[in-house]
Amino acid sequence: EVQLVESGGGLVKPGGSLRLSCTTSEITFFNAWMNWVRQAPGKGLEWVGRIRSESDGGTTDYAAPLKGRVMISRDGSKKTVYLHLNSLKTEDTGVYYCATGGYRLGSHHVLDIWGQGTMLTVSS
Amino acid sequence: QSVLTQPPSVSGTPGQRVTISCSGSSSNIGSNTVNWYQQLPGTAPKVLIYNVYQRPSGVPDRFFGSKSGTSASLAISGLQSEDEADYYCTAWDDSLNGPVFGGGTKLTVL
Repeated sequence: EVQLVESGGGLVKPGGSLRLSCTTSEITFFNAWMNWVRQAPGKGLEWVGRIRSESDGGTTDYAAPLKGRVMISRDGSKKTVYLHLNSLKTEDTGVYYCATGGYRLGSHHVLDIWGQGTMLTVSS
Repeated sequence: QSVLTQPPSVSGTPGQRVTISCSGSSSNIGSNTVNWYQQLPGTAPKVLIYNVYQRPSGVPDRFFGSKSGTSASLAISGLQSEDEADYYCTAWDDSLNGPVFGGGTKLTVL
């Protein structure tokens, strides 16, 4: 079964920065578009951004409210995608999920494989 | 405030049919396909319906998606206790250049 595994969450002070990781060993990582989606405690889902596959250029798109504070990168040799978030605010608290875009179901807009998520708490 | 509007909650009894609505605009639902995600308590979301009405392998045909204009719906027939979950609609938004989600609907099976 294909798995995505997020890591790197924890407790960070406001104003700090963080790098989350999402690793897989099973998918053909070179061809996978990767997304980050977050969920504040008791709230709904919010798209953070995505990075295209290496074969599609590896370019990125970010949610407008986060632009300037977020960066997504990928390391093909490690089959890992990273989410860098800086100038952290308390409202960044939540579970961060990585998800493939269209890996199984064709359309890059369909988040078809999800990790289990990693929790980020921003608090002083 | 979510870009797509869903009812916060719906409920039904086992065997019943329920519908969850999702209202958007011309820049999202009106011009793009809709996907639905199911999030069981304490778990990650999973795709339930994609491209308006298509079901991934393993999703029973009790789940049915549809779209009309700038609105979409998810219908669940033959309600079962294991359907109790949060449901989210989403669509690409051409103005925001990203996917937008509804606020989620909590389905309670009475």
